[in-house]
Amino acid sequence: DIQMTQSPSSLSASVGDRVTITCRASQSFSGSLNWYQQKPGKAPKVLIYATSILQSGVPSRFSGSGSGTDFTLTISSLQPEDFATYYCQQSRSLPITFGQGTRLEIK
Amino acid sequence: EVHLVESGGGLVQPGGSLRLACAASGFTFSTYWMSWVRQAPGKGLEWVGNIKQDGSAKYYVDSVKGRFTISRDNAKNSLYLQINSLRAEDTAVYYCARVFCSGNCYSGEWHFDLWGRGTLVTVSS
Repeated sequence: DIQMTQSPSSLSASVGDRVTITCRASQSFSGSLNWYQQKPGKAPKVLIYATSILQSGVPSRFSGSGSGTDFTLTISSLQPEDFATYYCQQSRSLPITFGQGTRLEIK
Repeated sequence: EVHLVESGGGLVQPGGSLRLACAASGFTFSTYWMSWVRQAPGKGLEWVGNIKQDGSAKYYVDSVKGRFTISRDNAKNSLYLQINSLRAEDTAVYYCARVFCSGNCYSGEWHFDLWGRGTLVTVSS
């Protein structure tokens, strides 16, 4: 199984800050890494797929990068609506696995 | 507009069974792999299983193998999850999700692009 470990588990930041969330895989792969945003009481929503492709309708302040075992999600300038929990997910092999989540809170 | 709507959740005793359903609308359901993903209260996301477009292939996480069965009825645009021998640790919101292949699906070039709002399953005596 590919284990996905996100860091940090939680993060406090201010509106306008640049934020980076990291996802580390227990095995190396390329491309098959997706990022989701989840707000309380809501279903997850895809932000980035295939490591770096922005889902249609997602603001350009979100970006993704990485390869091998290390992947990152960057928010270039935090907006109030970005405070949520973020999950990475690998689609490379079964079982499909998610990171444990990163809770992004307002400072 | 595209939608997924889950139903069938509720309170069930340990050892009991439940059948969840997911109604799809606004897209050609029969052309997509579909999945179930669950989330225990206050916890992260856990993939439960996938089913191929025609139902001929199904995959599950180890913790539910032999207890959970995914099925679909393309004529009714519906996805199902039969859950048996329920345990307290199965308590979760269960989401159905659509698998979107951005490239070669069998090489991992896919993601969950559409989610339902979820249905809560509570296992307790």
